[in-house]
Amino acid sequence: DIVMTQSPDSLAVSLGERATINCKSSQTVLFTSNKKNFLAWYQQKPGQPPKLLLYWASSRDSGVPDRFSGSGSGTDFTLTISSLQAEDVAVYYCHQYYSSPWTFGQGTKVEIK
Amino acid sequence: QVQLVQSGAEVKKPAASVKVSCKPSGYTFTHYYMHWVRQAPGQGLEWMGWINPNSGATKSAQKFQGRVTMTRDTSINTAYMELSRLRSDDTAVYYCVREDIMVWGQGTLVTVSS
Repeated sequence: DIVMTQSPDSLAVSLGERATINCKSSQTVLFTSNKKNFLAWYQQKPGQPPKLLLYWASSRDSGVPDRFSGSGSGTDFTLTISSLQAEDVAVYYCHQYYSSPWTFGQGTKVEIK
Repeated sequence: QVQLVQSGAEVKKPAASVKVSCKPSGYTFTHYYMHWVRQAPGQGLEWMGWINPNSGATKSAQKFQGRVTMTRDTSINTAYMELSRLRSDDTAVYYCVREDIMVWGQGTLVTVSS
């Protein structure tokens, strides 16, 4: 199974500042034939299902604000919130869908400093 | 747009079974795999398995093999996940997730308590 490890576990950032979350996979999630990273990022607020933010590591889902961006390839990935807003307080998860079983990072809790 | 609507919350006793349904709309049901993921209270996300609604083929996580059954009824475009021999640590929110665009159902809380 591919193990997904996020860092940090929690993060406190001032409003308007940058938040950065890292995700490392134990094996590559880059499919070489199409050069796509099978890596997604989600935002989850209490009592709600996870909401897809990014897929293919860096493609924003429809309606996701452009302050959310993703980067990385292979085994190392980053989610960046360029200017933290109050509504961004949530837990963020990375997810590999390269192979079964799907696996997820343990989550990173983002709060306002 | 694509939506997945799940059945309502359940309370079950240990050793019982629970069956959760997931009814999609906005696309052809048999064209995309459906996955099941659960989340225990305050915990992370755990993949349980998938079903191919076209063929009925399934694959489950090793942890749940022998306890989870994923089925579908193509006449009513509904997917099901049944978990048997419930234990207290099966208390969780269970989600169905459509592959490729990663649309999630609203979740079904299953509480296992004597």
